[in-house]
Amino acid sequence: GIQVEQSPPDLILQEGANSTLRCNFSDSVNNLQWFHQNPWGQLINLFYIPSGTKQNGRLSATTVATERYSLLYISSSQTTDSGVYFCAVSRRGNNNDMRFGAGTRLTVKP
Amino acid sequence: SAVISQKPSRDICQRGTSLTIQCQVDSQVTMMFWYRQQPGQSLTLIATANQGSEATYESGFVIDKFPISRPNLTFSTLTVSNMSPEDSSIYLCSVEATNTGELFFGEGSRLTVL
Repeated sequence: GIQVEQSPPDLILQEGANSTLRCNFSDSVNNLQWFHQNPWGQLINLFYIPSGTKQNGRLSATTVATERYSLLYISSSQTTDSGVYFCAVSRRGNNNDMRFGAGTRLTVKP
Repeated sequence: SAVISQKPSRDICQRGTSLTIQCQVDSQVTMMFWYRQQPGQSLTLIATANQGSEATYESGFVIDKFPISRPNLTFSTLTVSNMSPEDSSIYLCSVEATNTGELFFGEGSRLTVL
């Protein structure tokens, strides 16, 4: 099956710093999404981004499908950004074979 | 985005028993999914539940262990049968937004098996 690798596995930042999280995948995909799991376990969908660039406030994401990677940018980080960020991909356009990466655990210190 | 409610939010269960998790969505959705997240791990898809048909299970998951019901377009249940400590996990219900393809998750059900 498709392999999803996320880096770095862990990241510690001071509040206000910027960061880039990476997601590499082993095969072409038609569906790629980024999620944030907060410390209480709730998963929030950040971006649906099989290709191109999107921005939402301090967060933006870019997927270069031809090179099989996606990047999540977090600017001016806040303590509430702490948690685990997951990348998930699917070869199909729908969600019934989504594969999640191992995640990047982000800790933002005040 | 859809509002997804799961019950129970957490439970402590005895080995050998079974527990049914309920998932209620505030709008009709075609695709519902059940995921497992073992402690400190990522998410693994258990099965896809479509209304009116049997669930489709991923490799490593079987219907006898994880029976699923999908009686209508807003509700599904997952049963974890004959539990062992290895079944201690967070079980998450998710749905696919019809128009956008985005995946949304319930709050999860945290099961501890003693």
